[in-house]
Parts: sequence; C-alpha cells; structure tokens
Amino acid sequence: QKEVEQDPGPLSVPEGAIVSLNCTYSNSAFQYFMWYRQYSRKGPELLMYTYSSGNKEDGRFTAQVDKSSKYISLFIRDSQPSDSATYLCAMSRVYGGATNKLIFGTGTLLAVQP
Amino acid sequence: GAVVSQHPSRVICKSGTSVKIECRSLDFQATTMFWYRQFPKQSLMLMATSNEGSKATYEQGVEKDKFLINHASLTLSTLTVTSAHPEDSSFYICSATGVANQPQHFGDGTRLSIL
Repeated sequence: QKEVEQDPGPLSVPEGAIVSLNCTYSNSAFQYFMWYRQYSRKGPELLMYTYSSGNKEDGRFTAQVDKSSKYISLFIRDSQPSDSATYLCAMSRVYGGATNKLIFGTGTLLAVQP
Repeated sequence: GAVVSQHPSRVICKSGTSVKIECRSLDFQATTMFWYRQFPKQSLMLMATSNEGSKATYEQGVEKDKFLINHASLTLSTLTVTSAHPEDSSFYICSATGVANQPQHFGDGTRLSIL
C-alpha cells in the first residue's frame, strides 16, 4: 500500500465549476500537508500549505485536512481554463533536524473546459 | 518570494557524456536542497537530499557515483549525471527549503535526453 493515494484522473469539468481534489494517506505521523500545481513540462508550484488539521482559504482555493480520517482535500471555486494542470498533494512528518522529506501523491490531471 | 532557478531547462547529449544541472535559490538561503526525478505521467521520486556543506543523502536504489550532488553554498546545489545513458533520460527537478519543516519550493526542471 502506498503511503499517499491520489486518483490520477483525468478530471474534466466545465468552466466555473467547483473542483474537488483529494488524497488519502496511511501514516498518522504526517503533520504538514501541501498542494502543488504542475503545468506540463514545468516544476511544481506551491498552492497551499497547512499544518495539522483544519481549513485554509486563499482566494479561489480552499485546503482541508482531516487527520482523524487521514484525508485531505483541495477545492477550487469558479474554475478557469488556466487551472488546467496536474495537482499534486504532498505531506511530511515532523522532523527535529533540517530536512522534511515530502511524500507525494501521483497527481490528478485536471482539465477545465471553456 | 521563494524563487528557485534551475539551469539548463533542456539538455540533449550523446551517451557516455556527463551532464551538470544547477539549482539556485534566488531570494533565500537554502539550507536543504532536494533532487527529484519524474517520469511521464508519474509523480516525483526523491533521489537525494543535500544540506549545505555536507554529503548528500541518497534514497535507496539511487547510485551516488552515478548522480553526484554538490551543495557548496547556501544558494547553489548541482547534480551531475556521470556517463549518462539513454535510461537516464528523464525530467530532473530540484527543490529548496530554508527552514526546517517549511514548504519546499521547486525549480522548473531540466529535461534530459540521452541519445
């Protein structure tokens, strides 16, 4: 079993729709949860960063973490064609040292149709 | 803020040559840099972690003599693929972090093609 599971999609939605992207994980030691957006042939771009459980909102994006269910979500409101990309969830344990190894999901390919 | 620059963005070279990829943090001091490899439609696979002034820590299955990593300063890390072969063709991405348990910021990757 992978430590982080993410539906690879593809997920196709019409412009303006609300998009829900999800990841599940197995290791309760994860404390930091991130969502990255990756356009084709580019590096991942950090969208949201959350520590422990709860919600975080930034513009059209909302990240939710439910540690009791080991489940994280990213919601995109009023989706735009420019949101079309691969969305990667990532998480890490708490380290006392200087490194925080990220464990990534496989990414969900999102296509927003105009 | 938190800009990471990676160079070159694209390399095509013959089998047997060595290729160096640079990763720079432009507006922060990167105490730790990470090197990843990504195959088409797959997620990022961590290859190694490097701390400034220390030897890199390689993930299981990654040959340290094949993938040489140097992190000589707080703003620069390099990955050298030695004696590259076609199976080394991939998308290599670096990331950097300045503070423990803060998010990693990624470069735009280097697409390496070995003929």
